[in-house]
Parts: sequence; structure tokens; C-alpha cells
Amino acid sequence: AQSVTQPDIHITVSEGASLELRCNYSYGATPYLFWYVQSPGQGLQLLLKYFSGDTLVQGIKGFEAEFKRSQSSFNLRKPSVHWSDAAEYFCAVGVENNDMRFGAGTRLTVKP
Amino acid sequence: DTAVSQTPKYLVTQMGNDKSIKCEQNLGHDTMYWYKQDSKKFLKIMFSYNNKELIINETVPNRFSPKSPDKAHLNLHINSLELGDSAVYFCASSHRGGGYQPQHFGDGTRLSIL
Repeated sequence: AQSVTQPDIHITVSEGASLELRCNYSYGATPYLFWYVQSPGQGLQLLLKYFSGDTLVQGIKGFEAEFKRSQSSFNLRKPSVHWSDAAEYFCAVGVENNDMRFGAGTRLTVKP
Repeated sequence: DTAVSQTPKYLVTQMGNDKSIKCEQNLGHDTMYWYKQDSKKFLKIMFSYNNKELIINETVPNRFSPKSPDKAHLNLHINSLELGDSAVYFCASSHRGGGYQPQHFGDGTRLSIL
């Protein structure tokens, strides 16, 4: 069955430090992969998506993600974190029939 | 200008009551969804509609009934509310082929059952 795993429930980084959030997926066909961010009291906002082509995708707010088929991973990265990046981050895989499966989320805390 | 709007934002009610949550999108999308997010932030799809036709109906109690009067609206009615229904409910929309399309989310409705 299709699934998404985000191994880290909570990550804390210092402002200005680099960030990598991990995501692993399980899906038989070519996956459609997404990263969303949820700020407190808000809905989810799309950061970036991967469908095909270049395995390094750029998103909004300075985020990027790299698709690695051999590792079934789609990790999210940012070279320098800002305090405003503190939020919950969700990885998702799109499957057929209107379905999208979300990971359990990773909460990012940014230390001053 | 809000793309996906839900009302109300907060809903506090007693066990056993019936309540509705409304959702409207002005993005011209064909597909709309309802998700439930529990206290641990886990997000689970409940329903999805393509142009007023039900496509996904996950295993949710039949106390939950979605209604789509047109493709821009998808409302959620809940009968006989229970304590376990306390959660944040998100509406979302996308172009057709939703599993492969980015979804746009509303800001959520926080439902609290007393």
C-alpha cells in the first residue's frame, strides 16, 4: 500500500543553520511527491512538488527537495533557516483516484 | 480573495448535537476534499468529490455526510457528535486528477466537543 514516512517527529535548528527534513515513500509506480508547510492555526501550503524530470526541485521560501528513487526518498532542504520557518512540515505522495497520502509531519523549532 | 474558505473557524458544541461546516473555493477547481487532522497532527482524507460526484469515501462513520451543491462548494454535516470527533477539519480543492495535483487548503475548522 502507498505510504509516506517522516522519521523525525520534531527537529530543532538554530537560525541561520541548514535544514534537512527526511521523507521516505512506498509506492509501486512513479510517485508524485509534495511537501507542504502548516503554520500554527493555518491550513497547509504547498512548498514544492515533483512529478518527473530533474530530481532536484526548487520551491517557495528558499526550499528545495531531491528525489532519490534508489532510496525511495524525497528530503526537503534549506541552506539557512529563518525564525519564520518554524512550522509543521508534511511530505505527501499523490496516488490515483484523487487520493493523497500524507506523512505524520515533522515539527520544526528554530532557536534564536 | 481567499481561495478556499471554511466557516466557521471554531465550533464548540455539546455531545449529541448536529453541526455543519461549509467550504467554498473560488479557484475554478473541479475536485474538493475533506480532511480530519487529529491532536497529533495526523492528516487523514475523509471524502473527495469530482464535480459534485463522490470519488473517495474513506472509512468514516455514517454520521458524517458531505454535500456538494455545486463544484465550488463542499459542506460537511455531522450528526450526533461524539467526543472523538474533536479535531481540526480541513477543506481542500484541486484540479481534476487530484491525487496528482497540488491541493489548496482552507485554514481549518477547529471542532471541540464538550
